[in-house]
Amino acid sequence: NAGVTQTPKFQVLKTGQSMTLQCAQDMNHNSMYWYRQDPGMGLRLIYYSASEGTTDKGEVPNGYNVSRLNKREFSLRLESAAPSQTSVYFCASSLSPGGGEAFFGQGTRLTVV
Amino acid sequence: DQQVKQNSPSLSVQEGRISILNCDYTNSMFDYFLWYKKYPAEGPTFLISISSIKDKNEDGRFTVFLNKSAKHLSLHIVPSQPGDSAVYFCAASPLHGSGNTGKLIFGQGTTLQVKP
Repeated sequence: NAGVTQTPKFQVLKTGQSMTLQCAQDMNHNSMYWYRQDPGMGLRLIYYSASEGTTDKGEVPNGYNVSRLNKREFSLRLESAAPSQTSVYFCASSLSPGGGEAFFGQGTRLTVV
Repeated sequence: DQQVKQNSPSLSVQEGRISILNCDYTNSMFDYFLWYKKYPAEGPTFLISISSIKDKNEDGRFTVFLNKSAKHLSLHIVPSQPGDSAVYFCAASPLHGSGNTGKLIFGQGTTLQVKP
């Protein structure tokens, strides 16, 4: 019963470095999401994929790219990390777009120095 | 602009009493609303939801109320227990077929502390 698995759990990057956050779900869900959580800002949607083969921008997409590799996997890439991208990142999935119950991973705590 | 707002960053209640968490939204295209609970160092977990065709949904100690005309929803926890202490997020999703299907927008969260 893995649910939604994110890797890595922690990461420290230098400004300008790139990295990819990985996310996989084993619930045969159609929709997947990437959020960032910052103090006082709640969870803000970065990108989402309503179904395999589609991706769309959320509320704060600048500085990020995503790939829906297959139905199970949805990755988030930072091409040139900036200190403003220091945050906790959560991946989530749901059976249908926008809803119903979304299941979240444990989060990735990213620090950009 | 914040489409889903939780204006109270924190709430403290006594064990056994009612906890009421509030949420306002601005986008009339939202038609499905959810509450999530989050403990430190964990991902959010789903708590309860409500469709815009209803004004109330109940699940055990948790009840969500929706007032569409006021664009307001609330979560009632009765009775509150110390284990309920967590951050609570409300979330909203737009109408299916609106072109924005897939977006699940969250509020800022309210930290609930239930004192023994």
